[in-house]
Amino acid sequence: AQTVTQSQPEMSVQEAETVTLSCTYDTSESDYYLFWYKQPPSRQMILVIRQEAYKQQNATENRFSVNFQKAAKSFSLKISDSQLGDAAMYFCAYRSYILTGGGNKLTFGTGTQLKVEL
Amino acid sequence: DSGVTQTPKHLITATGQRVTLRCSPRSGDLSVYWYQQSLDQGLQFLIHYYNGEERAKGNILERFSAQQFPDLHSELNLSSLELGDSALYFCASSVTQKNTGELFFGEGSRLTVL
Repeated sequence: AQTVTQSQPEMSVQEAETVTLSCTYDTSESDYYLFWYKQPPSRQMILVIRQEAYKQQNATENRFSVNFQKAAKSFSLKISDSQLGDAAMYFCAYRSYILTGGGNKLTFGTGTQLKVEL
Repeated sequence: DSGVTQTPKHLITATGQRVTLRCSPRSGDLSVYWYQQSLDQGLQFLIHYYNGEERAKGNILERFSAQQFPDLHSELNLSSLELGDSALYFCASSVTQKNTGELFFGEGSRLTVL
């Protein structure tokens, strides 16, 4: 079974600065998806960024980018120019690429609470 | 708006009672997933349905059950409720074919058991 580990329960960043959230995972599969979801105080789960394992290029979405190291099974999220609205719980998640029977579940890490300070 | 609808948004009930949570997936999505998020915890996978059939089970208690109906909406039934069942219950849906892989989450149903 796949596991996802987020070793930073909490992180803080100053507004306009850059912060990196860490995530490692364990799998025997070669093809899979990795995601970062954001959960603000409203508790809504919001997709921040996705990465397909077969793509060597790191995904980027505006101020959010990832550092995907497949051999090391590492998937960190970098937030540049941090804003107050970035304050939230961030979850790293894994999903198998094999969409048998309509899809497989997301396996989540335990989350990193990001605080943004003025 | 993810397109996934969950009702009710909030529910308060007593121990020993039974509740039903409802989920309508995005139009065209055949897969529905249920997750439980207890206070300050991560999301725990409960169960997955695809086009009416159960496909995978996670850490779902025997007191909990789910089903997916022909119109693809799904219900999660929680019975003999205990204080520890208080949590946020999420429903998520996804398309069936090879795609971007993400799940689309509803806003969740917050259950409080007193």
